[in-house]
Amino acid sequence: SAVISQKPSRDICQRGTSLTIQCQVDSQVTMMFWYRQQPGQSLTLIATANQGSEATYESGFVIDKFPISRPNLTFSTLTVSNMSPEDSSIYLCSGGQETYEQYFGPGTRLTVT
Amino acid sequence: GESVGLHLPTLSVQEGDNSIINCAYSNSASDYFIWYKQESGKGPQFIIDIRSNMDKRQGQRVTVLLNKTVKHLSLQIAATQPGDSAVYFCAEKRNSGYALNFGKGTSLLVTP
Repeated sequence: SAVISQKPSRDICQRGTSLTIQCQVDSQVTMMFWYRQQPGQSLTLIATANQGSEATYESGFVIDKFPISRPNLTFSTLTVSNMSPEDSSIYLCSGGQETYEQYFGPGTRLTVT
Repeated sequence: GESVGLHLPTLSVQEGDNSIINCAYSNSASDYFIWYKQESGKGPQFIIDIRSNMDKRQGQRVTVLLNKTVKHLSLQIAATQPGDSAVYFCAEKRNSGYALNFGKGTSLLVTP
């Protein structure tokens, strides 16, 4: 299994600002993903973070709003840009190998005021 | 389209009893499923997985059953403990790529 950490664990941000969330894996993983989880809801995939190339975004999510970087096999960042209160959510990073098992970080709890 | 859903949003069981959490899926081509446990304030924790070439898989106090005929899987927890109280999600691998589709989640409450 992989151990995944995220920074920050939580933040309160003002409308119109941006926040970058970091995801660090303790071992090299083939796959990294970013999910969003509204309070009391299930997880929705934002994008697949591809190492050395542009992320693959799901319908409803765009690069200008959620730019993602993945410079190597253990690290990725997600930026939530030009935030609005609707962006208040939990943002989760996951990683795994091509055997399909995915392990999740603890999440970043974002509140936009 | 692909979708994964759960039969019951909440489940209350007494400590020591067995728990069964159900999940239905709609994509007959799904070949891999995972159960996750999410405690309050934490990320989802991998519990157990199963591939479509299996009907049953057992772990420590947990068993996952897969019925491909009716596109249904279940998570059975033996001798449920207070520490099992959490939200449980089933997830299926998508047809393409390695990302997962998650079900809505079942909240399990273990009472003394």
